[in-house]
Amino acid sequence: AQSVTQLGSHVSVSEGALVLLRCNYSSSVPPYLFWYVQYPNQGLQLLLKYTTGATLVKGINGFEAEFKKSETSFHLTKPSAHMSDAAEYFCAVTYGSSNTGKLIFGQGTTLQVKP
Amino acid sequence: KAGVTQTPRYLIKTRGQQVTLSCSPISGHRSVSWYQQTPGQGLQFLFEYFSETQRNKGNFPGRFSGRQFSNSRSEMNVSTLELGDSALYLCASSFYGGAWQGYNEQFFGPGTRLTVL
Repeated sequence: AQSVTQLGSHVSVSEGALVLLRCNYSSSVPPYLFWYVQYPNQGLQLLLKYTTGATLVKGINGFEAEFKKSETSFHLTKPSAHMSDAAEYFCAVTYGSSNTGKLIFGQGTTLQVKP
Repeated sequence: KAGVTQTPRYLIKTRGQQVTLSCSPISGHRSVSWYQQTPGQGLQFLFEYFSETQRNKGNFPGRFSGRQFSNSRSEMNVSTLELGDSALYLCASSFYGGAWQGYNEQFFGPGTRLTVL
């Protein structure tokens, strides 16, 4: 069965520091992987996605993630945190090309950015 | 293009009642998925509809149901509400042009926050 594990429910960084949010997945078939961000009282916004092709994917707001099949990981990084990055981040996986509309989410990581 | 809209945004019900939530997808999107978000269980997939047919279903009791109309708008219904049904219910839509096209991302609405007293 497919699953997603996000290491660390809460991550705190200083403004300007590196952001690293960890995500590991379990999938018996090639996965499609995503990172979403959620601000308070809002829905989810897609940051970036990996479907096929280049394993290093760049997203919005300076975020990027690298798909590492050997490590079953898809960690999210940003070189320099900004106060506006404070939010909850979700890693998600789906699989196959059938587009059945089902995303499996990790438990989420709350990012705190300290001035 | 207008985004995914969900109505109402907030809802308060009492145990035993039923509730209907509505979702209007982005124009041209025919796939609509529903998710439940709670602090304890996180984000969980409820079901997905495409062209008025339920195409996939999560592990929720039969009290949770949905439907999709010919204009792709979708509703979900929860009958006999329980305290544990208090959650943020998110709807997402995506364009689906066929399996050969590869994955199409889901766009999420702002959610409906349901409180059951």
